[in-house]
Amino acid sequence: EVQLLESGGGLIRPGGSLRLSCAASGFSFRSHAMSWVRQAPGRGLEWVSSINSEGDNKNYADSMRGRFIISRDNSKDTLFLQVSSPGVEDTAVYFCAKGHGRFDYWGPGTLVTVSS
Amino acid sequence: DIQMTQSPSSLSASVGDRVTITCRASETINNFLNWYQQKPGKAPKLLIYSASNLQTGVPSRFRGSGSGTDFTLTISNLQPEDFATYSCQQSYSTQYTFGQGTRLEMK
Repeated sequence: EVQLLESGGGLIRPGGSLRLSCAASGFSFRSHAMSWVRQAPGRGLEWVSSINSEGDNKNYADSMRGRFIISRDNSKDTLFLQVSSPGVEDTAVYFCAKGHGRFDYWGPGTLVTVSS
Repeated sequence: DIQMTQSPSSLSASVGDRVTITCRASETINNFLNWYQQKPGKAPKLLIYSASNLQTGVPSRFRGSGSGTDFTLTISNLQPEDFATYSCQQSYSTQYTFGQGTRLEMK
């Protein structure tokens, strides 16, 4: 059974930094692209970033480029998202998802709250 | 970026009804269109990919159609577990974008 579990969310001050993790199991993690998608409170889904299976090809939503860094550790079946200098508009539940383009499995999400 | 617009934003229906949700892209996306279902406080679930292909395990009462810029998700014989929010998403451009969601409520 495919399982994805995010962690690392919490309260962060504007201008701080945070690293989110997503632990994967139940499939060959190293063989699949992975993505992050977020959802602000009461809002729709917003794609953040995707990374290929080898970790050497990354793409980002234009509005988030430079502030978010996606990475992965295939030896630990883990996906990461580094969030730097967030603003209050980055408050959201952050989901990791298997795949890119088509997101066929999702984790339950981790809430990031940006507030002073 | 390609804008995805869903209609209606919300919809009331009863168990056993058939409902249709539409999704329009701001430019042609061929059939690079996916549909997701999301229940409150839960992760989205992929229902339909490439406009009309049913994801494994999804009941056949869900049907997707369309190509180009106009797409529909039809749910036949609504079941209690189908009341949720539905979102479309394009994967034609690598700047992936979602519709704003359609909330399906019980009448």
